[in-house]
Amino acid sequence: AQSVSQHNHHVILSEAASLELGCNYSYGGTVNLFWYVQYPGQHLQLLLKYFSGDPLVKGIKGFEAEFIKSKFSFNLRKPSVQWSDTAEYFCAVLNNAGNMLTFGGGTRLMVKP
Amino acid sequence: DVKVTQSSRYLVKRTGEKVFLECVQDMDHENMFWYRQDPGLGLRLIYFSYDVKMKEKGDIPEGYSVSREKKERFSLILESASTNQTSMYLCGGSHDTGELFFGEGSRLTVL
Repeated sequence: AQSVSQHNHHVILSEAASLELGCNYSYGGTVNLFWYVQYPGQHLQLLLKYFSGDPLVKGIKGFEAEFIKSKFSFNLRKPSVQWSDTAEYFCAVLNNAGNMLTFGGGTRLMVKP
Repeated sequence: DVKVTQSSRYLVKRTGEKVFLECVQDMDHENMFWYRQDPGLGLRLIYFSYDVKMKEKGDIPEGYSVSREKKERFSLILESASTNQTSMYLCGGSHDTGELFFGEGSRLTVL
């Protein structure tokens, strides 16, 4: 069974600080990886995804993630966070059938103004 | 050597008792957290505080309250302990760099 681990449960940063959220997955096959974001009071929405090709993936709002196959990692980064980035971030991996996402436990980010 | 210190490593209480768990840090952390850790469930956030007298509910605040009267001290209170609150309680602190430092934990058993 596939699983996803997010190492940082709760992160508090000041505005303009750099962000890196860790994500490791356990899955031996071809992986399709995602970062989702849930802003307060809103539904989950896609931040970025990796299917194949360039392992450095750019997403919305200045986020990026790097797929490192040898480390089974897909860490999320942003060089300079804003107050509006306060949200919960979920890493996820898609199963082979392409119909189910397995989510990590989530990282709650709070950015202080 | 910097530390996050939890006052009690092991406590045994009876149902209905009031329980105080104390946490003190000497790292000048702005942010402090209380989690409970249960097998198979990982870490679940109870409350956190990002400044003196400020508090925010985490994922499982029911049955708990907190107090942060001074920057270095963050207390978790169980007004009326119940058996389902038997758990390991972890206190943590962080600066705004995000890295979280934990205390050694307080294992609470409620009979």
